[in-house]
Amino acid sequence: GIQVEQSPPDLILQEGANSTLRCNFSDSVNNLQWFHQNPWGQLINLFYIPSGTKQNGRLSATTVATERYSLLYISSSQTTDSGVYFCALAGDGSSNTGKLIFGQGTTLQVKP
Amino acid sequence: DAGVTQSPTHLIKTRGQQVTLRCSPKSGHDTVSWYQQALGQGPQFIFQYYEEEERQRGNFPDRFSGHQFPNYSSELNVNALLLGDSALYLCASSLGTGTNSPLHFGNGTRLTVT
Repeated sequence: GIQVEQSPPDLILQEGANSTLRCNFSDSVNNLQWFHQNPWGQLINLFYIPSGTKQNGRLSATTVATERYSLLYISSSQTTDSGVYFCALAGDGSSNTGKLIFGQGTTLQVKP
Repeated sequence: DAGVTQSPTHLIKTRGQQVTLRCSPKSGHDTVSWYQQALGQGPQFIFQYYEEEERQRGNFPDRFSGHQFPNYSSELNVNALLLGDSALYLCASSLGTGTNSPLHFGNGTRLTVT
C-alpha cells in the first residue's frame, strides 16, 4: 500500500518563527489533506490540496504531485499553533475522501 | 452550522464487554467514516458508510461493526473488547465519497478498556 512519511517528527519553535513541514508519499494520489490536532485531540481540516498551492491566513500548503510531496508552511507561529500536524491521503489510486491514510504526524511546540 | 458530534466523550469498559459509539455528521454531509487513533499514532481507517451501507473497510476484525441510519448518523460497535482496543475513536463526515469533499472530524470518544 501507499506509504506516507512526515518530517520532522518533532519541532520546537519560538513564537513568531516560521516553519515548513514535509509530507512524502510513495504513489500517485488524488486526494491529499492536511490536519491539525490540538492538545485536546480535536482534528481540524486545514487544507484539501491534491495539487497546487493554497493559502489560509498564516498557513499555506503546496503539493507537487509529480514529485510526490507536499509542504505545509506556518508563518509567524503562535502558541495556539501547537499540536500535531498530519498529512493524509487516499491510497491505491482511490479518490475516496473518507478512506485516508495518515502519516505519523509532526508534533509542533510553539514557546511564548 | 452544526459540526460532527460524537457521544459519549469518554467511556470505560472491561475486557470482553461490548460498546456502542455514536456520531452525527456535519450538516449537509451524507457519508460517515470511522477511525481509531492509538496514543502517539495517526488515525487508522476502520470503515465508511454511505447510503446506509458499508462501502470501504480497513484492516480491522469483524468485532468492529457499524450502522448508518436514514438521517445519516452512524454507530460503531465493538464486541469482545480487548485491552488493545483502548484508543480515541474518531468519526468523520464528508459529502459523498468523491474527490472534492474535505473530511471533517468530530472531537472523538476516548475508550479505555480495563
